[in-house]
Amino acid sequence: EAGVTQSPTHLIKTRGQQATLRCSPISGHTSVYWYQQALGLGLQFLLWYDEGEERNRGNFPPRFSGRQFPNYSSELNVNALELEDSALYLCASSLRGQVGNTEAFFGQGTRLTVV
Amino acid sequence: AQKVTQAQTEISVVEKEDVTLDCVYETRDTTYYLFWYKQPPSGELVFLIRRNSFDEQNEISGRYSWNFQKSTSSFNFTITASQVVDSAVYFCALRAGYSTLTFGKGTMLLVSP
Repeated sequence: EAGVTQSPTHLIKTRGQQATLRCSPISGHTSVYWYQQALGLGLQFLLWYDEGEERNRGNFPPRFSGRQFPNYSSELNVNALELEDSALYLCASSLRGQVGNTEAFFGQGTRLTVV
Repeated sequence: AQKVTQAQTEISVVEKEDVTLDCVYETRDTTYYLFWYKQPPSGELVFLIRRNSFDEQNEISGRYSWNFQKSTSSFNFTITASQVVDSAVYFCALRAGYSTLTFGKGTMLLVSP
């Protein structure tokens, strides 16, 4: 069974540009989570989608946005890129996450570098 | 609000030593779930264990064991007879109520031959 897949693996963008990151969850999983892992800052929660709806959002500016498609795959968009957006962006999926008793499985991440 | 503290930033051991990674959590919810993940250099987080707040039984899986103590709000992780392949960053995480995972800042474990 395929795990969580993210694309691209690496992405280099110029400051001010937009970046689009993609995530395909494990088959049967309806929840998708996005995390940012910047150097020295640990894992910071970005967004949570479930059944196509945004369920929760972390403390990030509006230029971080995303969506979940009918097939439960997800896209993270970062507009007006800044140098400090350089980080590893991790996507995770789980079964419906309302109760919390389900583990989340992570993809290999997208390394975004803003120059 | 939830919080997870991993006070150990980095631990270095020699192969075959036992090592314990500490995790202290904070939550006001009575029902919650605790997790440990391993992040090797490749970057992908690997799920290790989930424990719910009503089950304080310790768990052992091969060389890995977990000690959950609600009285001290701790969920510590012990690796017995460490190996070089155990070198990674280990994250403790908490999930309570209708929320997402809250991670600690991670502990980097370096196992040298």
